[in-house]
Amino acid sequence: NAGVTQTPKFQVLKTGQSMTLQCAQDMNHNSMYWYRQDPGMGLRLIYYSASEGTTDKGEVPNGYNVSRLNKREFSLRLESAAPSQTSVYFCASNRDITYEQYFGPGTRLTVT
Amino acid sequence: AQSVTQLGSHVSVSEGALVLLRCNYSSSVPPYLFWYVQYPNQGLQLLLKYTTGATLVKGINGFEAEFKKSETSFHLTKPSAHMSDAAEYFCAVSRGTNAGGTSYGKLTFGQGTILTVHP
Repeated sequence: NAGVTQTPKFQVLKTGQSMTLQCAQDMNHNSMYWYRQDPGMGLRLIYYSASEGTTDKGEVPNGYNVSRLNKREFSLRLESAAPSQTSVYFCASNRDITYEQYFGPGTRLTVT
Repeated sequence: AQSVTQLGSHVSVSEGALVLLRCNYSSSVPPYLFWYVQYPNQGLQLLLKYTTGATLVKGINGFEAEFKKSETSFHLTKPSAHMSDAAEYFCAVSRGTNAGGTSYGKLTFGQGTILTVHP
């Protein structure tokens, strides 16, 4: 089992460019999440998908969109990148509320 | 709504000393509580969790935490620190349902505590 995988690992964008962060899990989990991590702020939830076919906003959704492509894959899109979106992005998944979340290795994004 | 406060953004201990990382939470329903560890340039790894049952939970690498409902706390401890324990630690609370009433594990994280262990 690879667990949760994320691509790319690193990315540099110019302001206004777009990109999609990819996430996949092979654990047959129902729920998937996207977080951003900024120094001193912990992890903040951007979007989540409680089950295949559903997505909902988290704490900081502005500037992002998501797609739950199938049960395995959950992508995060930045339509027009801004310097404020410079961060480390983590994808996670779990079976349901009583189970811990498994995290991917992260994508380090810099927007200049 | 739920929230988590970790007291102390940095904690420094000597190797062999007690590790105590503090976490207080607020939740309108009985919480599920987690501690995660993050080593440099890596993702988060679960240390331990409390959902129901015994309030003292043991995790990996010799860590344990006690759920104290009256104090709304879930402090993380380890009797003897090791150099390899140096990392950032996150406390998190989970309990929620979506509009359809389905439970899901939406986590709210604390700000993190960086643990430094010196010889």
